[in-house]
Amino acid sequence: QVQLQESGPGLVKPSQTLSLTCTVSGGSISSGSYYWSWIRQPAGKGLEWIGRIYTSGSTNYNPSLKSRVTISVDTSKNQFSLKLSSVTAADTAVYYCARGRRAGTDYWGQGTLVTVSS
Amino acid sequence: QSALTQPASVSGSPGQSITISCTGTSSDVGGYNYVSWYQQHPGKAPKLMIYEVSNRPSGVSNRFSGSKSGNTASLTISGLQAEDEADYYCSSYTSRARVFGGGTKLTVL
Repeated sequence: QVQLQESGPGLVKPSQTLSLTCTVSGGSISSGSYYWSWIRQPAGKGLEWIGRIYTSGSTNYNPSLKSRVTISVDTSKNQFSLKLSSVTAADTAVYYCARGRRAGTDYWGQGTLVTVSS
Repeated sequence: QSALTQPASVSGSPGQSITISCTGTSSDVGGYNYVSWYQQHPGKAPKLMIYEVSNRPSGVSNRFSGSKSGNTASLTISGLQAEDEADYYCSSYTSRARVFGGGTKLTVL
């Protein structure tokens, strides 16, 4: 059973960089035709796709966030990471990491709340 | 990319059937057979309910079914149960992104 767990600071100051890591257990991050995604959800609002990375290193980002987002993968640690720069209060949300394929996103982390505040 | 369009809310009584629509464009829903649906209970992570338009993952009740016509996909829940009350999101894969719908709150009366 694949499991994903987000980790990182729960509080980030405005203008700084938000950094989160997702640790994958129960399977290799390199196996299968999967990609690894970050998705966020502001309180009381819907899901917003941030981006994804294939184990080849190829990435796709949400155009609205592309200038501020970097997703990377460390196959040796079975982890992938998110960096979001120049954050504002609008970036406050629950951040999810997840495993996906074209067919759908089948495994999700429990989510981690990141608050942007001074 | 724009979010897919879903009704904000739907409701139904126990035992009834409801359908949630999800409208996109020929660049997402209409262009790929990769529509998926997610159920989210308060405070929980989303759960995959339907993938590739109409397929159910193992363990998902056969009361949940999906379909697509043109640029609009639909999720139907039959035999409504109290536990079905949740938010539902549609999503479409594209070659450059994944796009989500705005979400639909299902209330079981």
